[in-house]
Amino acid sequence: KAGVTQTPRYLIKTRGQQVTLSCSPISGHRSVSWYQQTPGQGLQFLFEYFSETQRNKGNFPGRFSGRQFSNSRSEMNVSTLELGDSALYLCASSIYLADTQYFGPGTRLTVL
Amino acid sequence: GENVEQHPSTLSVQEGDSAVIKCTYSDSASNYFPWYKQELGKRPQLIIDIRSNVGEKKDQRIAVTLNKTAKHFSLHITETQPEDSAVYFCAASDSGGSYIPTFGRGTSLIVHP
Repeated sequence: KAGVTQTPRYLIKTRGQQVTLSCSPISGHRSVSWYQQTPGQGLQFLFEYFSETQRNKGNFPGRFSGRQFSNSRSEMNVSTLELGDSALYLCASSIYLADTQYFGPGTRLTVL
Repeated sequence: GENVEQHPSTLSVQEGDSAVIKCTYSDSASNYFPWYKQELGKRPQLIIDIRSNVGEKKDQRIAVTLNKTAKHFSLHITETQPEDSAVYFCAASDSGGSYIPTFGRGTSLIVHP
């Protein structure tokens, strides 16, 4: 079975721009979670989607949003980028909510 | 909310030694505790997990123990090998509630040949 895939793998943006990241879960997995990983803050939970609905949200500003499509693929969007948004963004999929999660390779976002 | 403390932040051992990484959590409702290994430049990979209805789980050279009363859980790696070198993360979540996983800050394990 193919693993979790994320596109693009690398992105360079400037402050004020917006960005959209994509995640394709493992086939049959219906839950997708997003995380931000930085050296200073570690791994932080952004949000989780299941059946096209956001089920849980971490402590991030409204500039961070996401959605899930009927095929379970998910996108996250960050608007009005700030320097501090530079990070590795990881998505993880699981069969159901609160199940074992499998991570994708991540998207490395650099904001200049 | 949940708070997960992980120690040590860096652990250096000789090949063949054992390594132990400890995590404590604050929310007594947490009942699912996974451990992830992240090699440099790669994705976190689940290596073992434990749920609150068991006290210990083993998988070859790795084991996890859970003490619900004390709210701590530990990862044990025996007969360490250089390829065990990586950053290890613990996490805690309440699978019956909000299920927002909280991660420890990570332990950088270095195994010297």
